[in-house]
Amino acid sequence: AQKITQTQPGMFVQEKEAVTLDCTYDTSDQSYGLFWYKQPSSGEMIFLIYQGSYDEQNATEGRYSLNFQKARKSANLVISASQLGDSAMYFCAMREDTGTASKLTFGTGTRLQVTL
Amino acid sequence: GAVVSQHPSWVICKSGTSVKIECRSLDFQATTMFWYRQFPKQSLMLMATSNEGSKATYEQGVEKDKFLINHASLTLSTLTVTSAHPEDSSFYICSALGVGTEAFFGQGTRLTVV
Repeated sequence: AQKITQTQPGMFVQEKEAVTLDCTYDTSDQSYGLFWYKQPSSGEMIFLIYQGSYDEQNATEGRYSLNFQKARKSANLVISASQLGDSAMYFCAMREDTGTASKLTFGTGTRLQVTL
Repeated sequence: GAVVSQHPSWVICKSGTSVKIECRSLDFQATTMFWYRQFPKQSLMLMATSNEGSKATYEQGVEKDKFLINHASLTLSTLTVTSAHPEDSSFYICSALGVGTEAFFGQGTRLTVV
């Protein structure tokens, strides 16, 4: 079963507009973490934002915010005031603590294209 | 933030040869590192979890004799693709868990087997 689901293969947004990238997850753990990473064409994975399962406040990092709805098991990324440099692949990931180590499971990604 | 350095960033090798990829945590000790594989336009697939001083834990379907992982120190893990074939061509990327919650990624290695 898919643990992380990103249903939007691609998204377009106009410069300076806000965009929401969807992410739903599946876990029976009480303690877990949710991440968003940006992957430009160079391939590097750039950490954007983190939300812990026990965090009551939605995480925010500059123009990035995470809309965490625990009951619905969703962790959508909101990018405000989009910039051309935001064009990239975006991956949602979940950290589960399994035995002695944690590991990240990634969604299939959403390709965001910011237009003029 | 913490830095993970991966080397080489790209490599071309002949079929049948072996290729070693290094992943170093530069400013922190990483007891656990992860190796991922990414095909074009696809997500990152976890290959194995590398633990310092012990054997790596491989995900289902990953050949441990083909993808040798060594985590000899708290700052270095290596992935060796043995007897490489064209179908092994892919983007390989490592990550290390920091002290807190974040996972730091290397720059990735683009492997092409000809």
